[in-house]
Amino acid sequence: DAMVIQNPRYQVTQFGKPVTLSCSQTLNHNVMYWYQQKSSQAPKLLFHYYDKDFNNEADTPDNFQSRRPNTSFCFLDIRSPGLGDAAMYLCATRGTLDVYTFGSGTRLTVV
Amino acid sequence: SQQGEEDPQALSIQEGENATMNCSYKTSINNLQWYRQNSGRGLVHLILIRSNEREKHSGRLRVTLDTSKKSSSLLITASRAADTASYFCATDAGNNNDMRFGAGTRLTVKP
Repeated sequence: DAMVIQNPRYQVTQFGKPVTLSCSQTLNHNVMYWYQQKSSQAPKLLFHYYDKDFNNEADTPDNFQSRRPNTSFCFLDIRSPGLGDAAMYLCATRGTLDVYTFGSGTRLTVV
Repeated sequence: SQQGEEDPQALSIQEGENATMNCSYKTSINNLQWYRQNSGRGLVHLILIRSNEREKHSGRLRVTLDTSKKSSSLLITASRAADTASYFCATDAGNNNDMRFGAGTRLTVKP
């Protein structure tokens, strides 16, 4: 089945140690998104790609960066994770009918 | 950067009862979508309603949209214990803009 896959499901990283979360999609969608969701809160948009055109939210910390080497893959890099970056990170794609397809998320723990 | 607000924040009902969740938003939209999230999982698309539509049905789900009041409601009829989840509304301004989520309603359906 076409889908959005996030790896790993759970990631534990040390305070200040760079970490990369990955997302892949088989839907061939042009638009990909990264959302951060903290406990009991709404998903918060970090950035999105329209093809290779990168769009950063104004309030996304500089600590967060993203790469999209091709249509299928998108990465979220956290350069120096702090305790406040512990959250669920959700990747999504957007199809031609404007419906978003989400991955299962990566839960990041910072120790 | 959040767009919408939902109420109630939490809703607890008995199996078989109907559940109604409301969403209000601030800016003009192209469409509004409802998503469901089971604890610790990704979001699953439920239904999309476009700005020129007033009501839409999908199985036990009924969504209304009032663009003059900038509000939407999601009705789940004949609820089941398996409907227990968080429900989020999300607004899409179109033109390749991103989707913004409301704070969500935590629904508990007691067997």
